[in-house]
Amino acid sequence: EVQLLESGGGLVQPGGSLRLSCAASGFTFSSYAMSWVRQAPGKGLEWVSGFSGDGGSTYYADSVKGRFTISRDNSKNTLYLQMNSLRAEDTAVYYCAKGNNVGGTSYSAFDYWGQGTLVTVSS
Amino acid sequence: DIVMTQSPDSLAVSLGERATINCKSSQSVLYSSNNKNYLAWYQQKPGQPPKLLIYWASTRESGVPDRFSGSGSGTDFTLTISSLQAEDVAVYYCQQYYNIPFTFGPGTKVDIK
Repeated sequence: EVQLLESGGGLVQPGGSLRLSCAASGFTFSSYAMSWVRQAPGKGLEWVSGFSGDGGSTYYADSVKGRFTISRDNSKNTLYLQMNSLRAEDTAVYYCAKGNNVGGTSYSAFDYWGQGTLVTVSS
Repeated sequence: DIVMTQSPDSLAVSLGERATINCKSSQSVLYSSNNKNYLAWYQQKPGQPPKLLIYWASTRESGVPDRFSGSGSGTDFTLTISSLQAEDVAVYYCQQYYNIPFTFGPGTKVDIK
């Protein structure tokens, strides 16, 4: 059974940093692209960042480029999101999501999602 | 960026009746090399993560009831629930994965009339 378990969320002051983790199990982690998608309270879905399955490429939304860094440790089956210079508008539930296209291409739908971790940026 | 729009914003349908949601992309998401539309549909219930229903615009995800179907090509797409059930009350999102950044529609809320 595929499972994605996010952790690392919490309350942080503007300008602060957090690192989110997503522990994956139930599939060959290294073979699939992974992404982070966020949802502000009461709002829609926003793709934040992605990592190709082959580990060769990373991608970011303009809203987080230069502030967030995505990484993955295939030996630990874990995806990370380092978030720096956090702003109030980064407040959201952050989901990790698995691409559904075996082979690692980033251009795939998301077939499994974690339950999410809440990040609140406030003074 | 590809902008995704959805209509209507919300709809209320009687149990057993058809529900239709439309999604439009600001540019084509049809990749000519493989003739696939890079378009997915998700269902999100309160307090839950999104659930993939449809990908490649019309391929139903494993385990999704066959009352859910997707159609369309290029820039215009439709999600149809052929016979609405109580458990289908949710917000539905379309998403393009043709270009990065991947983008979602604003969502359509489906309720029971």
